[in-house]
Amino acid sequence: DIQMTQSPSTLSASVGDRVTITCRASQSISTWLAWYQQKPGKAPKLLISKASSLESGVPSRFSGSGSGTEFTLVISSLQPDDFATYYCQQYSSYYMFGQGTKVEVK
Amino acid sequence: EVQLVESGGGLVQPGGSLRLSCAASGFTFSSFAMSWVRQAPGKGLEWIASVSDRGRGTDHANSVRGRFTISKDTSKNTVFLQMNSLRGEDTAIYYCAKPQHGYHLDAFDTWGQGTMVTVSS
Repeated sequence: DIQMTQSPSTLSASVGDRVTITCRASQSISTWLAWYQQKPGKAPKLLISKASSLESGVPSRFSGSGSGTEFTLVISSLQPDDFATYYCQQYSSYYMFGQGTKVEVK
Repeated sequence: EVQLVESGGGLVQPGGSLRLSCAASGFTFSSFAMSWVRQAPGKGLEWIASVSDRGRGTDHANSVRGRFTISKDTSKNTVFLQMNSLRGEDTAIYYCAKPQHGYHLDAFDTWGQGTMVTVSS
């Protein structure tokens, strides 16, 4: 199984901050990586697919990059609505999610 | 509008069974693989099963293989998850998820609201 490791587990930030979340795969997954945002009591929401393809309706302050085993989600200027938990997911071989990164108010 | 609506969750005793349903609408159901993902209380997301577009192929996570079975009824636009031999660690919210492009392996662009399964005596 391909394992996904996200860091950090928790991130404390302020509105306007640039936020970076990293996801590492245990073996190469090319660009078969998605990023999701989840708020308490809600289903996950797809933000980015294919490592860097922004979903329709997702603000442009979100961006994704990487290939192979190293991936990054960047929020260029954190907004109040962005405080949530973020998950990466590989879909190269079956599916595996990272353990999540909670972005909380500093 | 693409929509997924899960049902069938509830409280069940250890060793018991439960069948979850996910009613789909707003897209050509027979052209899309479908999956179930669960989330234990306060924990992360765990993929547990997928079924191919026509329902002929299935994959299950190691944690549920041999106990859970995913299936699909294209005539009813519904995907099912039959859960047998339930354990406490199966307690979770169960989400139905649709892939972006219908592929067997793809990002999930639509999720249901989830249905809670509690395994406890």
